[in-house]
Amino acid sequence: GAGVSQSPSNKVTEKGKDVELRCDPISGHTALYWYRQRLGQGLEFLIYFQGNSAPDKSGLPSDRFSAERTGESVSTLTIQRTQQEDSAVYLCASSLGTAGRNTEAFFGQGTRLTVV
Amino acid sequence: QQQVKQSPQSLIVQKGGISIINCAYENTAFDYFPWYQQFPGKGPALLIAIRPDVSEKKEGRFTISFNKSAKQFSLHIMDSQPGDSATYFCAASARGSGNTGKLIFGQGTTLQVKP
Repeated sequence: GAGVSQSPSNKVTEKGKDVELRCDPISGHTALYWYRQRLGQGLEFLIYFQGNSAPDKSGLPSDRFSAERTGESVSTLTIQRTQQEDSAVYLCASSLGTAGRNTEAFFGQGTRLTVV
Repeated sequence: QQQVKQSPQSLIVQKGGISIINCAYENTAFDYFPWYQQFPGKGPALLIAIRPDVSEKKEGRFTISFNKSAKQFSLHIMDSQPGDSATYFCAASARGSGNTGKLIFGQGTTLQVKP
């Protein structure tokens, strides 16, 4: 597809279960970001991938959160032992790079996670 | 220092009026200031962006005003239309060598344009 694709669009899980969220960035985009958006709040940076460089994990809220990216393609965000406070929309974005006009970030539609 | 503060939280404007949303930042390393528009159930979409070497950028009905010394920037929507009703986010990032380009977002402004 032409845009950033995320799956699933909605996920309801029981507290304590693990969940895996997927992001397919725009082809050719080397930079990939994950954000969390709580209800009525702004977007909170989680993690950043750029090519083969070490990821910037500075936004991950706890060690229950982890993410992987294979080369410059698909990324998965994993939340272990989910808690109710993890309920949010998880957004993925990609960009051509991080300098100049390449900075424009394109967002997917998000995965709405509900922990019950 | 990484925060971007946005106001107002919500805004109601009559059709044809001017909508103004303000943002302030602290980190002087920020050099890219985009505004995003988000409709319910959708991801944010880039609306307009500015770099700190200019004080104003206009695209159609949307204008960003930038005040580097005050570390403030604002979005003006002229001739506001009901279709502009959405949530607007300002953001800031530091680009270039050694930076990730990660966007730091404001809290968002919910705009309602009344017909």
